[in-house]
Amino acid sequence: EAGVTQSPTHLIKTRGQQATLRCSPISGHTSVYWYQQALGLGLQFLLWYDEGEERNRGNFPPRFSGRQFPNYSSELNVNALELEDSALYLCASSFPSGVTEAFFGQGTRLTVV
Amino acid sequence: AQKITQTQPGMFVQEKEAVTLDCTYDTSDPSYGLFWYKQPSSGEMIFLIYQGSYDQQNATEGRYSLNFQKARKSANLVISASQLGDSAMYFCAMRELGLQGAQKLVFGQGTRLTINP
Repeated sequence: EAGVTQSPTHLIKTRGQQATLRCSPISGHTSVYWYQQALGLGLQFLLWYDEGEERNRGNFPPRFSGRQFPNYSSELNVNALELEDSALYLCASSFPSGVTEAFFGQGTRLTVV
Repeated sequence: AQKITQTQPGMFVQEKEAVTLDCTYDTSDPSYGLFWYKQPSSGEMIFLIYQGSYDQQNATEGRYSLNFQKARKSANLVISASQLGDSAMYFCAMRELGLQGAQKLVFGQGTRLTINP
């Protein structure tokens, strides 16, 4: 069974550009979570999508947004990129309720220059 | 608000020894879940083990076990017979149930474990 897949693995953008990161959940999982992990830091919660809707949002500016498609895959969009957006972005998927496990993808390393 | 604390920034252990990684948590929610993840240098977060707040038994998964002490609000990860491949960052996390059922995992700052041959 395929795990959570993220693309691209690496992404280099210049300041002010937009970045789009993609995530495909494990088959049967309807919830997708996005996290940001800046270098040397812990994971900061960004967004939670379930059944196509945004269910929860972390303390990030509106230029961080996303969506979930009917097949439960998800996109994270970061507009007006800033240097401090450079980080590893991790996506996790799970069943929606009573989360007893959440599996992560390998991450997208975004570098803003 | 819920909080996870990992007080050991780094640990060094000899191969084949057992190791305990500390995690304490703070929550007023009677129903919660605790997770441990391993993050090797590649960056992927690997799910290791889960403990529910109402589970009577400590969770175990192969060489991993979770020493759950509810009254002390601790959920330490025990790795038996450590191996060189266990060298990685380890994160403790708690499921936070917010408004209208909104869920997220709240992570600690992590412990970097190094296994020495």
